[in-house]
Amino acid sequence: DQQVKQNSPSLSVQEGRISILNCDYTNSMFDYFLWYKKYPAEGPTFLISISSIKDKNEDGRFTVFLNKSAKHLSLHIVPSQPGDSAVYFCAARPNSGYALNFGKGTSLLVTP
Amino acid sequence: EAGVAQSPRYKIIEKRQSVAFWCNPISGHATLYWYQQILGQGPKLLIQFQNNGVVDDSQLPKDRFSAERLKGVDSTLKIQPAKLEDSAVYLCASSVEGSYEQYFGPGTRLTVT
Repeated sequence: DQQVKQNSPSLSVQEGRISILNCDYTNSMFDYFLWYKKYPAEGPTFLISISSIKDKNEDGRFTVFLNKSAKHLSLHIVPSQPGDSAVYFCAARPNSGYALNFGKGTSLLVTP
Repeated sequence: EAGVAQSPRYKIIEKRQSVAFWCNPISGHATLYWYQQILGQGPKLLIQFQNNGVVDDSQLPKDRFSAERLKGVDSTLKIQPAKLEDSAVYLCASSVEGSYEQYFGPGTRLTVT
């Protein structure tokens, strides 16, 4: 039962443009959402997070938007750089524990 | 600050053999997690420790998988006997108690032939 869904397995964007990665969830008990970035042969690295009481969180070039009514969040990267090429995982945490539920990931390729 | 350490990085075994993975979390992190990541999937939680006690092991296949965290620091995850479907990357993560943010190690890639 996949409670966190990333429906786009891959995304290709030109350097300098905006990258938008999407994530949907089904469990209304999720109250905290995180994005992780993963390079090959490395573990996931925390990127940015958002609490369910907010609808936007920004950190430099990275912004996460949360639409609770639609159970949807997105990660915006502006401007995209070649070093951003990686797999991005969306994760969600229920309000009753600490275990993260991960999506399958979206592979982002930023081309020069 | 040193990150989460894991060893070995790679392991190839035959089915029905046993294997063990080791994890050393970030110093001071009371919470430790083991995840299984099958190719093309996101990480799936196997077990969560708070200090040396188990918080959640609901998705751990207990007939073949076991884990321990003696003294609340290092942890080992064991598979005995291994099956072909256990081929995956096993990730260890740690966090400060009460924090949402988990820090991951590089993982151990297990191939069962």
